[in-house]
Amino acid sequence: QVQLVQSGAEVKKPGASVKVSCKASGYTFTNFGISWLRQAPGQGLQWMGWISTYNGRTSYPQRLQGRVTMTTDTSSSTAYMEVRSLRPDDTAIYYCARDSGIAVAGFDFWGLGTLVTVSS
Amino acid sequence: SYVLTQPSSVSVAPGKAARITCGGNNIGSKSVHWYQQKPGQAPVLVIYNDSDRPSGIPERFSGSNSGNTATLTISRVEAGDEADYYCQLYDSTSDLLWVFGGGTKLTVL
Repeated sequence: QVQLVQSGAEVKKPGASVKVSCKASGYTFTNFGISWLRQAPGQGLQWMGWISTYNGRTSYPQRLQGRVTMTTDTSSSTAYMEVRSLRPDDTAIYYCARDSGIAVAGFDFWGLGTLVTVSS
Repeated sequence: SYVLTQPSSVSVAPGKAARITCGGNNIGSKSVHWYQQKPGQAPVLVIYNDSDRPSGIPERFSGSNSGNTATLTISRVEAGDEADYYCQLYDSTSDLLWVFGGGTKLTVL
């Protein structure tokens, strides 16, 4: 069965960086991309970017350019997202989701989420 | 960027039908997906490509999309359907390739 297993909760100080992992199993990792999303407390879902697990190509929204980096390790079927220069308003649950990369398919499998708390 | 508008809340009695709308400019020309999120859980895809149901999703969940409004319909609502629901679409012309609505809290009375 398809699973996306994310790393554990993190507590960081403002200005620090965090790197969240997402280990995939149950399917051929390089056949699907990974999107990363976040959800601030009591708020909605916000897409943070996408990575092709096939060739490493990425797409980030403008507001996150330079602060977010997504990578993959195909040998371990793991995707990573690093967020730098953390601010208190980056406090959120961060999700990875399987993304086929085509408009007619949604995100069919999600990780359980990783809580990142940014506080001094 | 593309904006999706959802009502903040919808209430329905058990056994009745719930309809959750998602408004957007000419949204009928795009493929809309819907997610259910219960408290403390990750979102679950319940409808994709306007009206298709993933494996394991009850037939009570259906979707439609036309003009400027996409709609998620849950027939014969049960207490377990109480959750937040989000619409989503892909907009290649937008900086935010994947756009989400603000979410609708479904309350079962």
